[in-house]
Amino acid sequence: ETGVTQTPRHLVMGMTNKKSLKCEQHLGHNAMYWYKQSAKKPLELMFVYNFKEQTENNSVPSRFSPECPNSSHLFLHLHTLQPEDSALYLCASSQASSYQETQYFGPGTRLLVL
Amino acid sequence: RKEVEQDPGPFNVPEGATVAFNCTYSNSASQSFFWYRQDCRKEPKLLMSVYSSGNEDGRFTAQLNRASQYISLLIRDSKLSDSATYLCVVSLSGGYNKLIFGAGTRLAVHP
Repeated sequence: ETGVTQTPRHLVMGMTNKKSLKCEQHLGHNAMYWYKQSAKKPLELMFVYNFKEQTENNSVPSRFSPECPNSSHLFLHLHTLQPEDSALYLCASSQASSYQETQYFGPGTRLLVL
Repeated sequence: RKEVEQDPGPFNVPEGATVAFNCTYSNSASQSFFWYRQDCRKEPKLLMSVYSSGNEDGRFTAQLNRASQYISLLIRDSKLSDSATYLCVVSLSGGYNKLIFGAGTRLAVHP
């Protein structure tokens, strides 16, 4: 399935590096999300964009910076990360018109911070 | 208290067994309820929505008890391919689908 794609799939970076994660959805949705999934923990919502406008920032540290240039693309810019930021970062999209709409997830970027 | 609480398991069951997962949620304002499935090293995928009247999809039955803030998933005639982590998910009000995930219950079906 290629409804939501994410690149890169794996990323290893040092604490002083700057990198970006990319997400693209081909489903015509108007809402996009970033989640973090750490080992043995529930998925944590990080950011929500509705119609390209950020509507949620779930107390995420400023070393994570989202960007949504249009309703199909979402980026997560990373800088000066910490080892505890190592996790699976998942992008999702949905048609935000009702409470019952389904979120579709991308395959995720597995990030390791050294 | 966790917003969505699940037994982490693992549940180890033989093929053909019936297995039930339970989930409780803390926010009485929760609007919608779902079960997602996540295979090892893959993304979560919607398994089924959960409705107040209860609903069934083949071998899977979901129940919701709003008064007790309790959700369940029953899997009948388990298959090897059912092995995965099952995520209980609730949606809060707010104009968009803000999902709160449980940590998941791991199921391992063996021959």
